Amino acid sequence: EVQLVESGGGLVQPGGSLRLSCAASGFTFSSYWMSWVRQAPGKGLEWVANIKQDGSEKYYVDSVKGRFTISRDNAKNSLYLQMNSLRAEDTAVYYCARDPSLIAAQYYFDYWGQGTLVTVSS
Amino acid sequence: EIVLTQSPATLSLSPGERATLSCGASQSVSSSYLAWYQQKPGLAPRLLIYDASSRATGIPDRFSGSGSGTDFTLTISRLEPEDFAVYYCQQYGSSPITFGQGTRLEIK
Repeated sequence: EVQLVESGGGLVQPGGSLRLSCAASGFTFSSYWMSWVRQAPGKGLEWVANIKQDGSEKYYVDSVKGRFTISRDNAKNSLYLQMNSLRAEDTAVYYCARDPSLIAAQYYFDYWGQGTLVTVSS
Repeated sequence: EIVLTQSPATLSLSPGERATLSCGASQSVSSSYLAWYQQKPGLAPRLLIYDASSRATGIPDRFSGSGSGTDFTLTISRLEPEDFAVYYCQQYGSSPITFGQGTRLEIK
């Protein structure tokens, strides 16, 4: 059974940093593109970033470029999101999600974690 | 950026009825790269449909997707109690990928 379990969310002040983790199991993690998708409270979904199977390619939504860094450790079956210079508008539930493609990224998501809440507030 | 507009915002129906949810795109969606997700309160989204009309693994056949270009539809042929949720469409044919604002399907 595919499982994605996020952790690391919490309350942080504006300008602060946070590192999210996603532990994957039930599939060959190193074979898939992975993404982070967020959802602000009561709002819709927004793709944040993705990373290629071997970590050699990474892409970001414009609003987080230069502030967020996506990474992965295939030996640990884990995905990460380092978030720096956090803003109030980054407040959201952050989901780890799997792209179903084994080759080029498809940019839709067949499995999602349960999410971790990040609140940016003073 | 392709803007997706979902209609109606809220749909009130009874179990057993047919539901038709619409997703309109501001520009043509390349290769019908459109997905539909279901989300229940406090839970992660679940993939229902990809490539506009292909059902994801384990999705009941009462869910079907159709459309191309700028107009897409998710149809639930006969509503079950567990189908009442929020539904999102997403296009992945153009960068940046975008989601619609959602349609809330509620029990009448």
